[in-house]
Amino acid sequence: AQTVTQSQPEMSVQEAETVTLSCTYDTSESNYYLFWYKQPPSRQMILVIRQEAYKQQNATENRFSVNFQKAAKSFSLKISDSQLGDTAMYFCAILSTSYGKLTFGQGTILTVHP
Amino acid sequence: DGGITQSPKYLFRKEGQNVTLSCEQNLNHDAMYWYRQDPGQGLRLIYYSQIVNDFQKGDIAEGYSVSREKKESFPLTVTSAQKNPTAFYLCASSIGRDTQYFGPGTRLTVL
Repeated sequence: AQTVTQSQPEMSVQEAETVTLSCTYDTSESNYYLFWYKQPPSRQMILVIRQEAYKQQNATENRFSVNFQKAAKSFSLKISDSQLGDTAMYFCAILSTSYGKLTFGQGTILTVHP
Repeated sequence: DGGITQSPKYLFRKEGQNVTLSCEQNLNHDAMYWYRQDPGQGLRLIYYSQIVNDFQKGDIAEGYSVSREKKESFPLTVTSAQKNPTAFYLCASSIGRDTQYFGPGTRLTVL
C-alpha cells in the first residue's frame, strides 16, 4: 500500500516571494514516480512537476523545483517568485509503476497575496 | 489539439437514476482512469483500464460501472446503487504506467 501525507492544509505567500510545500510518502516499492499537481478554482488538475525515484537529481520546471529526499521519503515543492496565478490547491502524488496506481495526498491550499 | 474531454460539465441526477459520464481522449494513450473527488479531499480511484476491453476496480468501485470498447473512450456509469454520488469526477489517461493527464471534470449532483 502507498500513502501520501501533506501536513499543511493551508499556506499563504506574498507575490514574488518563495514558498515551500511539504509532502511525505510511504511505499514498499523500489521503483516509483512522484508528482505535484495543481488544481486552480477551475478544478482542472494540472501537472506541475514529475520526479523519477531512481534519479538523484531534483526535478525543476521554471519557477518550480523539488527537494527529493528518498531515504527520508520526503518530496517538497518550492515555488519561487510566486505569482497570483499560483493560487490553487496543490496535491502531492505517488505512482506505482507496478500497478499504474496514483495515490494522492489531501492537498495544500496555497494563496498568493498581492 | 490533443487532449481529454469530459461531458457534461454539470450533471444532475434524481434518486434511483443511472447516469453516464463521458470521457474521450485523442492523445493515443493506452490507459484511462476515473477518479472521484469530494470537497476538500484528494482523489480516489474508481476504475482503470490499461487496454481496450479490459478494466479493473479501483479503491471505491461499488456503485459504479465502466466499459472500454474503444481506445479513445472510457465512459463511467453511476448506478442507483451508489449511495452518495454527489462529487466531482475526473478522468485521466496515460501512456502505460507513467504520468497521468486529466480532463476538466464533471460535477455530479443528486437532487
